[in-house]
Amino acid sequence: QVHLVQSGAEVKKPGSSVRISCKTSGDTFNKYTVAWVRQAPGQGLEWMGRIIPQFDITNYAQKFQGRVTITADTSTSTTYMELSSLTSEDSVVYYCARGKGVDTTMVYDFWGQGTLVTVS
Amino acid sequence: QTVLTQPPSVSGAPGQRVTISCTGSNANIGANFDVSWYQQFPRTAPKLLVFGDNKRPSGVPDRFSASKSGTSASLAITGLQPDDEAVYFCHSYDTDLRGSTFGGGTTLSVL
Repeated sequence: QVHLVQSGAEVKKPGSSVRISCKTSGDTFNKYTVAWVRQAPGQGLEWMGRIIPQFDITNYAQKFQGRVTITADTSTSTTYMELSSLTSEDSVVYYCARGKGVDTTMVYDFWGQGTLVTVS
Repeated sequence: QTVLTQPPSVSGAPGQRVTISCTGSNANIGANFDVSWYQQFPRTAPKLLVFGDNKRPSGVPDRFSASKSGTSASLAITGLQPDDEAVYFCHSYDTDLRGSTFGGGTTLSVL
């Protein structure tokens, strides 16, 4: 069974950065994409970007360009999402999700448990 | 911005059928990009319900079905059960955004 396990909750100061990890197990890490999606309380899902670990190719949502960096360590099957210049609006839950297919057929079939970031 | 529009809420009685719409544009659903649907319970991660427009992962009951036509997609749930109460999100790729996008989510209430 595939599992994505994220790092724990974070409390950060405004203007600082946060780095969240997502470790994948149960399948070949390099075969898939890993995306990051965030969700404010009671709100919808917001796609932030994704990485194809095998080729180290990233694609970021325009809203987060210049502020988000997604990296992958294939030796540990771990993906990282770093978000900088934090404000109170970044106080949401962040999810990683495994993606199958190409961008236009993408399916997120397994998700991490979520990581709450509080900016205060 | 949300480019896939869903109704904020739908409701139905146990045993009934409900549908949840997802309206997009020629930049996403209308471009024949795949639509997937996700189910989310409070304080848990989303779960894949339907992919490739109308395919179900193993373990998802056939009470859940989906379709797509033009610039819209829809999720149908038959034989409503109290455990179906959740938030449902549609998803597709958008060429204008150059990335994945989700609908705003629809809260299903089973009366």
